Amino acid sequence: SQKIEQNSEALNIQEGKTATLTCNYTNYSPAYLQWYRQDPGRGPVFLLLIRENEKEKRKERLKVTFDTTLKQSLFHITASQPADSATYLCALAAGTGFQKLVFGTGTRLLVSP
Amino acid sequence: EPEVTQTPSHQVTQMGQEVILRCVPISNHLYFYWYRQILGQKVEFLVSFYNNEISEKSEIFDDQFSVERPDGSNFTLKIRSTKLEDSAMYFCASSEVKRAGEQYFGPGTRLTVT
Repeated sequence: SQKIEQNSEALNIQEGKTATLTCNYTNYSPAYLQWYRQDPGRGPVFLLLIRENEKEKRKERLKVTFDTTLKQSLFHITASQPADSATYLCALAAGTGFQKLVFGTGTRLLVSP
Repeated sequence: EPEVTQTPSHQVTQMGQEVILRCVPISNHLYFYWYRQILGQKVEFLVSFYNNEISEKSEIFDDQFSVERPDGSNFTLKIRSTKLEDSAMYFCASSEVKRAGEQYFGPGTRLTVT
């Protein structure tokens, strides 16, 4: 069956460190993978999109890697800040025309001062 | 910065009643979506809509659900006869492009069915 797995345990790190979140998928062949941020009671906010032919994408303190052989994406936040505390969602574009986003359960990140 | 808006922010309804959730997508976007998130669970796709018709729907989106773009700005989700299990956050989203482009989500409507 198709699965998108993210670590369900919260990740606790200290301010200034690099946070690394993992997204693994099975039985998908995504052309694209996206990362979103979700704060409690709010809608997901788009962060980064990476294509299957891209190994790495960066945006300010964020970096995403995409390994289609391992079927894994890693999401890094460098120099983390308490304001980065949120749940981070991995999403694959699926369905006909890749319109449908299929989300993982998300990993909660807690950055302590 | 343009954003997706949704009303109401919270809707309480009795089982069996009809509800309409409203969304105003970003004005130059052409593709519209509804997702839901049951408390503590993952965000789930319901339906996508383009050019005044449904382009894809999930198994959740059964005959009790319908979507409409009644005018040039609003996009609505109607649940005809609500069930307890329809209680969830409902998110509207829109995108400029179809093929796996980033989607912009609204703040959500919390639907509580009693």
